[in-house]
Amino acid sequence: QSALTQPASVSGSPGQSITISCTGTNSDVGSYDLVSWYQQHPGKAPKLIIYEVSKRPSGVSNRFSGSKSGNTASLTISGLQAEDEADYYCCSYAGRSTSYVFGTGTKVTVL
Amino acid sequence: QVQLQESGPGLVKPSETLSLTCTVSGGSIRSYYWSWIRQSPGKGLEWIGYIYYSGSTKSNPSLKSRVTMSLDSSKNQFSLNLSSVTAADTAVFYCARVSDGDYGAFDYWGQGTLVTVSS
Repeated sequence: QSALTQPASVSGSPGQSITISCTGTNSDVGSYDLVSWYQQHPGKAPKLIIYEVSKRPSGVSNRFSGSKSGNTASLTISGLQAEDEADYYCCSYAGRSTSYVFGTGTKVTVL
Repeated sequence: QVQLQESGPGLVKPSETLSLTCTVSGGSIRSYYWSWIRQSPGKGLEWIGYIYYSGSTKSNPSLKSRVTMSLDSSKNQFSLNLSSVTAADTAVFYCARVSDGDYGAFDYWGQGTLVTVSS
């Protein structure tokens, strides 16, 4: 099972909106509404920010939103802030034989 | 608030078995799936496997033959053994809780522990 494909880097200025794509196949992203997104600051553990494509855990800013179309999921960060500078990973359930596959990761830079 | 903490040797010799334990506090280990995830230096995340409190397990097909997991509900701990390690297994290992069934997101994570494979 190959990793989901994400852009290596995305950047934006404070206040802008950016979108990170996560492309899989019809065996993972395309088959299940079970895509999650994680934010990881340097030296820290990943933090869940989106689950089941578009749901936010309690305490996560509403500036983070998720969506999916076909085999591609997306994470949008609106009103970009300096604290959003981090690595972001998507993850999809991929069925009973494989279970989970992560994305390649995207480094977000706030200019 | 659920908290997870990994523990184990930080250095393992090639061909030996890597053993880690995750201690869960602030909640019961029962009724959830518990997962291991690793991150090689400068690289992305890789799901290793999960264990249910009943003892049933599933692991990544790419690692399946080398992975063994166990759980001790009396201690609120679960463990990972990865056999026949090589330098390619050097990584930060995280334990995490699966939020919903055996398909949910990973909602609570340990801080991670670096394991280096070297002679």
